[in-house]
Amino acid sequence: EVQLLESGGGLVQPGGSLRLSCTVSGLMFRSFAMTWVRQAPGKGLEWVSTILGSGDTTYYADSVKGRFTISRDNAKNTFYLQMNSLRAEDTAVYYCAKDGSEFDYWGQGTLVTVSS
Amino acid sequence: EIVMTQSPAALSVSPGETATLSCRASQSVSRTLAWYQQKPGQAPRLLIYGASSRATGIPARFSGSGSGTEFTLTISSLQSEDFAVYYCQQYNNWPRTFGQGTKVEIK
Repeated sequence: EVQLLESGGGLVQPGGSLRLSCTVSGLMFRSFAMTWVRQAPGKGLEWVSTILGSGDTTYYADSVKGRFTISRDNAKNTFYLQMNSLRAEDTAVYYCAKDGSEFDYWGQGTLVTVSS
Repeated sequence: EIVMTQSPAALSVSPGETATLSCRASQSVSRTLAWYQQKPGQAPRLLIYGASSRATGIPARFSGSGSGTEFTLTISSLQSEDFAVYYCQQYNNWPRTFGQGTKVEIK
């Protein structure tokens, strides 16, 4: 059974940093791209970032480019989202997802709140 | 960026009836289109990929069609557990983009 488990969310002040983690089990982790998707309160889904299996290719939404960094540790079956220079508009539930082109498995989400 | 536009924003349907949801892409995405279902407080769930292929464990009452710029998700004989928000998403180009969602409500 494929499982994804996020951690690392919480309350952070504007301008602060946070690192999200997503630990994956039940699949050959290094073979798959992984993705972060977020959802602001009461809003729709927004793709944030994707990292390919080898870790050497990454993609970002314009809204986070230059502030967020996606990475992965294939030895730990875990990928990350380092979020710097956080803004109020980054407040959202962040989901990690397996990226088989479509997003076929999702974590339960972790809430990030950016507020003073 | 490819803009995905879903219609209607909300749809009221009686149990047992059929719901038809539309998704339009601002440029062709071929058949690289997925549909997701999201219930309150839950993560999205993949329903359809490749415009018309059902994901593992998805009931046959969910069907997808279309290609290019026009896509449809049809939910036949709506069950109580089908009332939710549905999103389309293209994976033909970067950035990946979602539609704004269609809420299927009980009539």
